[in-house]
Amino acid sequence: SAVISQKPSRDICQRGTSLTIQCQVDSQVTMMFWYRQQPGQSLTLIATANQGSEATYESGFVIDKFPISRPNLTFSTLTVSNMSPEDSSIYLCSVDTGVQPQHFGDGTRLSIL
Amino acid sequence: SQQGEEDPQALSIQEGENATMNCSYKTSINNLQWYRQNSGRGLVHLILIRSNEREKHSGRLRVTLDTSKKSSSLLITASRAADTASYFCATDEGETSGSRLTFGEGTQLTVNP
Repeated sequence: SAVISQKPSRDICQRGTSLTIQCQVDSQVTMMFWYRQQPGQSLTLIATANQGSEATYESGFVIDKFPISRPNLTFSTLTVSNMSPEDSSIYLCSVDTGVQPQHFGDGTRLSIL
Repeated sequence: SQQGEEDPQALSIQEGENATMNCSYKTSINNLQWYRQNSGRGLVHLILIRSNEREKHSGRLRVTLDTSKKSSSLLITASRAADTASYFCATDEGETSGSRLTFGEGTQLTVNP
């Protein structure tokens, strides 16, 4: 199964700043996704990261706040922009190889002061 | 938006007992999956059941799916303290497996030694 490396694993940031989270997979994958998990809650899909084109965002999420890049089939980044305390969450990337269930990275635990 | 509802929200049992968690959803699905999340970690895939299947087993796990009632259950038999975690169901509504997932609210299982 695909091995996913997500960086950083955690961070504490000041409000108003931005943080870029990286997701690296050890093999080429068809689809990559970004999820948010607010404290004590379930996962909500932010967007599908499309290779070579703009990400597809879910309702309630916009590119200006969560710009996503996917330059190739093994790598994606999610930026959380102009952060506020409400953005304190775990951010997870997942991958779909097309033949196996989605696999998740360990997540990035983000706290905004 | 989240379509899955899980009950109970929290479950506390003794080691050796069985744990049953339920999940309901609202739309037609391609498959339903169960994931486990240990505290502070990413999600681990447990089992996938397709819409044309009614029951599936994997080790101490038993999953049922009732598409007429749009519900699923996860049974963990002979529970162990290491089973303590949050359990999430996730539905795949896409035409092909492994597409966007919609997660339920989750059940926090505590297994007391």
